[in-house]
Amino acid sequence: KNQVEQSPQSLIILEGKNCTLQCNYTVSPFSNLRWYKQDTGRGPVSLTIMTFSENTKSNGRYTATLDADTKQSSLHITASQLSDSASYICVVSAKFGEYGNKLVFGAGTILRVKS
Amino acid sequence: DADVTQTPRNRITKTGKRIMLECSQTKGHDRMYWYRQDPGLGLRLIYYSFDVKDINKGEISDGYSVSRQAQAKFSLSLESAIPNQTALYFCATSDFRADYGYTFGSGTRLTVV
Repeated sequence: KNQVEQSPQSLIILEGKNCTLQCNYTVSPFSNLRWYKQDTGRGPVSLTIMTFSENTKSNGRYTATLDADTKQSSLHITASQLSDSASYICVVSAKFGEYGNKLVFGAGTILRVKS
Repeated sequence: DADVTQTPRNRITKTGKRIMLECSQTKGHDRMYWYRQDPGLGLRLIYYSFDVKDINKGEISDGYSVSRQAQAKFSLSLESAIPNQTALYFCATSDFRADYGYTFGSGTRLTVV
């Protein structure tokens, strides 16, 4: 069964600190892995997309890693800001016939950054 | 203006009522999707459409129907709303490759009482 599991479910950190969010998946055939940020009351917004051959990708203070052998990914946030408070969703894309892909969503990690 | 616009943003309706959620996009994408988000669960696909004449069921289509009125418009209907359809609903679009370029709307919060 295609599944994406994220940990922790929620996290509280102080402004300026770093944190790492985890994602484990059992999705095949694998196409790519994405991290999304979802602010309260808004739709998810893409942070990074990584294919099988990529093991690190950065977007500003966000750095995602991918280990396709162990089927694990992490999202590292550096020097956190209050605006980083959001839900972070790991999404794995599975190849789906000839038409493209199917997205499998994790439940998300809720991050709260405190001043 | 937002690339993907959903209306209404919030709606409270009674059990048994018919309700329509609307989605319009200016991305020029052919592919459109309806997802449902429940607390503690990942987004789940309700229906998707690869072009105006193409409609496909997702993993949780029971109790829902859709209409693709134009390339830019994709609406979701609940024919007879029930309380367990209370959720956050998202419309999304993607380009023909579908591997990149997913854009989500801001969501519709639906409460069925």
